[in-house]
Amino acid sequence: EAGVTQFPSHSVIEKGQTVTLRCDPISGHDNLYWYRRVMGKEIKFLLHFVKESKQDESGMPNNRFLAERTGGTYSTLKVQPAELEDSGVYFCASSHRRATNEKLFFGSGTQLSVL
Amino acid sequence: EDKVVQSPLSLVVHEGDTVTLNCSYEVTNFRSLLWYKQEKKAPTFLFMLTSSGIEKKSGRLSSILDKKELFSILNITATQTGDSAVYLCAGPRGTSGTYKYIFGTGTRLKVLA
Repeated sequence: EAGVTQFPSHSVIEKGQTVTLRCDPISGHDNLYWYRRVMGKEIKFLLHFVKESKQDESGMPNNRFLAERTGGTYSTLKVQPAELEDSGVYFCASSHRRATNEKLFFGSGTQLSVL
Repeated sequence: EDKVVQSPLSLVVHEGDTVTLNCSYEVTNFRSLLWYKQEKKAPTFLFMLTSSGIEKKSGRLSSILDKKELFSILNITATQTGDSAVYLCAGPRGTSGTYKYIFGTGTRLKVLA
């Protein structure tokens, strides 16, 4: 079974540019999460999809961040325009069901560097 | 505010030593506590703890939860260099149908040969 895959693994862009990160969850997983880890800090929640619906986007830093999950399969996270403080590792995770305790399966992350 | 605090932040030991990693949490609508191991890339799942006092074991790793004290520990016995990693603790919070995981900063473990 394929795990959670993220693309690209590393992106280096200049301030003001746009970057789009992609996440393919494990097939059949309804829950999809985006997390971010800034250097030296804890992994922080960004948002949660259940299928194609945004369940909780309380962790999104500001309106420069836009996440979509069309069709309830893969998800994209777009940062436009990118700022220096957006640098970090963006993790995607998925899990199977909604209302019970479910462990998260993580992707390898996208290392974003904004120069 | 919900939070998960891990200690120590960093630990260096020699092969064969036993280590104990700590995780304390203050999470509303607590459901469970999860431990992950992160080497180079994706965090990998270790344990999910939902009940107090019941130890979970996997090889040389074990973990236990104390719901009263809002605390969990992860033990690793007879450490090996392959145990070197960041160990993350996470507590899901939320209500039925929607919940998110609050992570600690992690404990960076380095095992020397």
